[in-house]
Amino acid sequence: AQKITQTQPGMFVQEKEAVTLDCTYDTSDQSYGLFWYKQPSSGEMIFLIYQGSYDEQNATEGRYSLNFQKARKSANLVISASQLGDSAMYFCAIRTALIFGKGTTLSVSS
Amino acid sequence: DAGVIQSPRHEVTEMGQEVTLRCKPISGHNSLFWYRQTMMRGLELLIYFNNNVPIDDSGMPEDRFSAKMPNASFSTLKIQPSEPRDSAVYFCASSFQGVNTEAFFGQGTRLTVV
Repeated sequence: AQKITQTQPGMFVQEKEAVTLDCTYDTSDQSYGLFWYKQPSSGEMIFLIYQGSYDEQNATEGRYSLNFQKARKSANLVISASQLGDSAMYFCAIRTALIFGKGTTLSVSS
Repeated sequence: DAGVIQSPRHEVTEMGQEVTLRCKPISGHNSLFWYRQTMMRGLELLIYFNNNVPIDDSGMPEDRFSAKMPNASFSTLKIQPSEPRDSAVYFCASSFQGVNTEAFFGQGTRLTVV
């Protein structure tokens, strides 16, 4: 079975600062995908970034990057230059079945 | 494409009634997922289908829940009979099959059982 653990219920950061949201995973599969989603207060689920288990380079998408450490089974999300609009719940997920962690609430203040 | 379409957006029903939630995936996608989201339990995977076939339904809470996918463009999640503890937001998501493709979510159905 696959499992995602997000140990930070809430994180607080000031605008323009960088923040790291932690994610560890467990799987016995050799091939898997790791995903981050954002859920703002409006409720929709927004895909942010993907990392494949065989990818040697860390994924980046604009201000988002994924710090992938396979040996540690971690897939942390780094948001650079935080903006007020980044305030939301962030979920890490693993696929094949697309299992989600409990999420981290990020609050960005001015 | 219009994205994943769920209906209804909101449903209020009385305990004991049957509830049917509907989902139309993105055309061409061959994986479909149903989730339940609550404050206490977070985002739980209930069941997922590949090519209209249920692959893993271990997340379905009990026999009162059932899901079907009669064709590639439609899926239902049924609760019969409904109970107050079933109150939650139910999401449907679809994707191409494979570990390297992201899933796209519908807007969700907010179910309230009174």
